[in-house]
This record gives sequence, structure tokens and C-alpha cells, in this order.
Amino acid sequence: AQSVAQPEDQVNVAEGNPLTVKCTYSVSGNPYLFWYVQYPNRGLQFLLKYITGDNLVKGSYGFEAEFNKSQTSFHLKKPSALVSDSALYFCAVREGNTDKLIFGTGTRLQVFP
Amino acid sequence: EAGVAQSPRYKIIEKRQSVAFWCNPISGHATLYWYQQILGQGPKLLIQFQNNGVVDDSQLPKDRFSAERLKGVDSTLKIQPAKLEDSAVYLCASSLVLVETQYFGPGTRLLVL
Repeated sequence: AQSVAQPEDQVNVAEGNPLTVKCTYSVSGNPYLFWYVQYPNRGLQFLLKYITGDNLVKGSYGFEAEFNKSQTSFHLKKPSALVSDSALYFCAVREGNTDKLIFGTGTRLQVFP
Repeated sequence: EAGVAQSPRYKIIEKRQSVAFWCNPISGHATLYWYQQILGQGPKLLIQFQNNGVVDDSQLPKDRFSAERLKGVDSTLKIQPAKLEDSAVYLCASSLVLVETQYFGPGTRLLVL
């Protein structure tokens, strides 16, 4: 069965520094991978997705993610963090040939001024 | 373009009572999803509709949960009777057919006392 793992419950970074939020996946077949962000008392907002093609995917708000097949990873990155990036980040994988998304447990990103 | 709308935003009920949530997807999105997000976890799919037909309800606790999408647009999710463990955020999402990205509403936060 498809799954994703987010090994860090929380990531702390200083404003202006680069940030990385980690995600590893386990799938049979080609992975469809997603990143969503959740701000307090709000639903999930789509950031970016990898379906096929270029391993570096660019998304909303300056975020990007790197697909690494050999390491089965899809880490979220941003060159310069903002305090407003503080939120809960979810990695997800599409299950098989369905539209069903399997979400990780989430990583809380805290950006300090 | 208007996003996914959900109501109510918050609901507090006592166990064994019934409750209903409403979702209006993005215009033109044929596929609609209901997710349950328990505190500290990622969202879990409860049911998926395509137009007014059910595609996947394998994780819906059918003894107490029901959902419908009669005209292929709005949807309601009902819980009857509610249990303490149903306390969660209920998220509605929608997508175009054959397009992978799901767009989420703000969610309904349910507290069962």
C-alpha cells in the first residue's frame, strides 16, 4: 500500500535561512506526490505536485520540492524562510490508480524572527 | 474563482446526538471528497463522489456516517449518533475529473462532549 512518512514533527528555522521539510514515500509504480500547507483554523492549501518530468518542482509562495527516486524522497524547500511561512505542512501520495490521497502526519514549521 | 465552501465552521454536540455538515465545491468540479482530520494526524478520506455517484466509501463508518450528493453539486455529511471519537475537523475537497489536484475548504471543526 502507498504511504508517506514525515520524520520530523517540528522544524525550527530562523527567518531568512533556507528551510527543508522532509518527506519519504513508499509506492508501487510511479508516484504522484503533493505538498499542502495548513494555517490555523483553515483548510489545506495546495503548494505543489510531482507527476512526471523535471525532478525539481516549483510551487506557490516560493516553495519548491525535489523528487529523488533513488532515495524515495520528496523534500519541500525554500531558499529564504519568512515568519509567515509558519504553519503545518503535509506531504501526500496518490494511491494507485485512484484519486485517493494518503497524507503524512504533518510537520509543524516554526520560523523565528 | 470562489473556493470550496463549508458550513458550519464549528459545531459542539453531545454524544449520541446527530450532526450534518454541508459542502459546496468549486464550480465545475465533478469530484468531491470528504476527509476526517483528527488532531495531530493527517486527513483521512471518508468518501469520494464523482458527480452524484460514490467512487470510494471504504473508510466511511457506515453504521453512523452517511453522505449524499443528490444533484452532483452540493454534498452533506451526516453523523448519527455521534461518538466522542468523532471529534475532528471534517474537510471537503473538490477536483476536476482526471486532474490530480484537490482543493480544500476551510473545514468544520466538530467537538463531541
